[in-house]
Amino acid sequence: EAGVVQSPRYKIIEKKQPVAFWCNPISGHNTLYWYRQNLGQGPELLIRYENEEAVDDSQLPKDRFSAERLKGVDSTLKIQPAELGDSAVYLCASSLRSDWSYNEQFFGPGTRLTVL
Amino acid sequence: DQQVKQNSPSLSVQEGRISILNCDYTNSMFDYFLWYKKYPAEGPTFLISISSIKDKNEDGRFTVFLNKSAKHLSLHIVPSQPGDSAVYFCAARDDKIIFGKGTRLHILP
Repeated sequence: EAGVVQSPRYKIIEKKQPVAFWCNPISGHNTLYWYRQNLGQGPELLIRYENEEAVDDSQLPKDRFSAERLKGVDSTLKIQPAELGDSAVYLCASSLRSDWSYNEQFFGPGTRLTVL
Repeated sequence: DQQVKQNSPSLSVQEGRISILNCDYTNSMFDYFLWYKKYPAEGPTFLISISSIKDKNEDGRFTVFLNKSAKHLSLHIVPSQPGDSAVYFCAARDDKIIFGKGTRLHILP
């Protein structure tokens, strides 16, 4: 079974440029998460989707970040414009559903973003 | 303010010995605790979890202990193997999962 797929794996951009990350979750997983992991820190949740609905986006900086999961399958996270402090690894994860009995999350390899 | 704290950034253990990774938390509403393992250039992978109603959960070489009164949990790996060298994240759940900063475990030959 294929795991969570993310692309690109690495991205280098100049500040003020836009950038987008793509995630394809494990087939059949209804819940999709985007995390940001800064250097030396643990992952921090940005947004959680149940199917196509964003049910928790309280940690998403909405002035420059946006996300979508239009058909309830793959998802895109966008930053526009990027700032130096956005340099981090952006992780996508999915789980069967967010019901607590099935909360095991499967992570993709992440996209390492460097903003110059 | 960090709700999940892993105070040891790194730990070195001889192969075959026991590795003990510690984690403290501040939020008494956490109902579920998890440990994730992460290799370089890969995403974290789920290792083991424990519900707040239990004090111990064991899975092969991995055991997690929970002390609710002390708001402390630990992960024991015995015997430690070279493939256990990785970063280990402690995580806790209320309405979302909150991760600690991680502990880098080095298994020495």
